[in-house]
Amino acid sequence: SQQGEEDPQALSIQEGENATMNCSYKTSINNLQWYRQNSGRGLVHLILIRSNEREKHSGRLRVTLDTSKKSSSLLITASRAADTASYFCATEDTGGYQKVTFGTGTKLQVIP
Amino acid sequence: ETGVTQSPTHLIKTRGQQVTLRCSSQSGHNTVSWYQQALGQGPQFIFQYYREEENGRGNFPPRFSGLQFPNYSSELNVNALELDDSALYLCASSQNLDKSLFFGSGTQLSVL
Repeated sequence: SQQGEEDPQALSIQEGENATMNCSYKTSINNLQWYRQNSGRGLVHLILIRSNEREKHSGRLRVTLDTSKKSSSLLITASRAADTASYFCATEDTGGYQKVTFGTGTKLQVIP
Repeated sequence: ETGVTQSPTHLIKTRGQQVTLRCSSQSGHNTVSWYQQALGQGPQFIFQYYREEENGRGNFPPRFSGLQFPNYSSELNVNALELDDSALYLCASSQNLDKSLFFGSGTQLSVL
């Protein structure tokens, strides 16, 4: 079963614009992570935010986490054509082991 | 530092057959997780191995089994293949139950 749901399912923007993706989840978590996947191959880890953090930055990425609303957002600023990919949020549950559960993904297209 | 490698990259099997997929962890990583990703979906957690022991399992039947070897490489075995087993199978390694997952490029399995 999927823990998270991303919104929107698909997003198309012009190069240079910002892209915002949202993620909602259902259970208590230790952390939330964002991954990128190009062309249905392996996923690449982008950023991890712990449950006691509210915002985190990495280069052009900004992630926010609201545990009271069980939601997170990923902002990509000044998007590039190379950012075209599917983006997934993933949560690590507070259960006994490192089970990382992925959402349904947002497909981002950046038009040059 | 070598990355996560999976073999084979593509595989075609017929219903009822058995398949073994292989994964070499990133150097220094002792935890391996396997995921199944159907087309257009997020990865679904199959199971995780930590120091050669199964450390957690998702909602998959017993015909999905695995092994982790002393060098921390891993195998995923699927018996009695069904058409719905057609998917991308992803292996991810991490260090000491650390939180970030490093993925291989996956094995695309087609069951005819």
